[in-house]
Amino acid sequence: DQQVKQNSPSLSVQEGRISILNCDYTNSMFDYFLWYKKYPAEGPTFLISISSIKDKNEDGRFTVFLNKSAKHLSLHIVPSQPGDSAVYFCAASARGFGNEKLTFGTGTRLTIIP
Amino acid sequence: EPEVTQTPSHQVTQMGQEVILRCVPISNHLYFYWYRQILGQKVEFLVSFYNNEISEKSEIFDDQFSVERPDGSNFTLKIRSTKLEDSAMYFCASRAEGIGTDTQYFGPGTRLTVL
Repeated sequence: DQQVKQNSPSLSVQEGRISILNCDYTNSMFDYFLWYKKYPAEGPTFLISISSIKDKNEDGRFTVFLNKSAKHLSLHIVPSQPGDSAVYFCAASARGFGNEKLTFGTGTRLTIIP
Repeated sequence: EPEVTQTPSHQVTQMGQEVILRCVPISNHLYFYWYRQILGQKVEFLVSFYNNEISEKSEIFDDQFSVERPDGSNFTLKIRSTKLEDSAMYFCASRAEGIGTDTQYFGPGTRLTVL
């Protein structure tokens, strides 16, 4: 079941530069998307979300872009900081269809190089 | 800031034994969830719970699993007869009810090791 895919298992970015994490999905019923950040031995921490009625949502250094026609979303972190080093998960749900379970991607390990 | 808490942080059990994993959701939240992550794999949905009943469950959530909200604060996941393949991190999540409250907030997880 690969309904949500994160094709880059890892990404390294210089401190201060932009980090771009990508996520693709196949289920057309998904209408709500979230990004979580996870440190080892901790639970996923919510970062930012976007509804399918929008194509962009911004919160401080984090911006999520949604391209519904391409079934693609991305998370931009600007500027990247060492504390951003973690595993980032994309998740999706079909809440408008009464299905609120989250389907997760496999994660991208982001390393910020000082 | 309110957060979801889970106990224990690590549980070791023998195959065939029963385990109960405990969660205290955020206090004004009404929707509760369990997910798990087997080492090296995705986070997977197990079950959602609202108004004292299961609203959805995955195919993983078979007869060996059950959930309960025994009082006003705790939410538990019971595995009746553990198998080796139940070894995983188990995450509890909760969310509020109402418009604009779709985000699920996760606890730190319980690492279950079945020997």
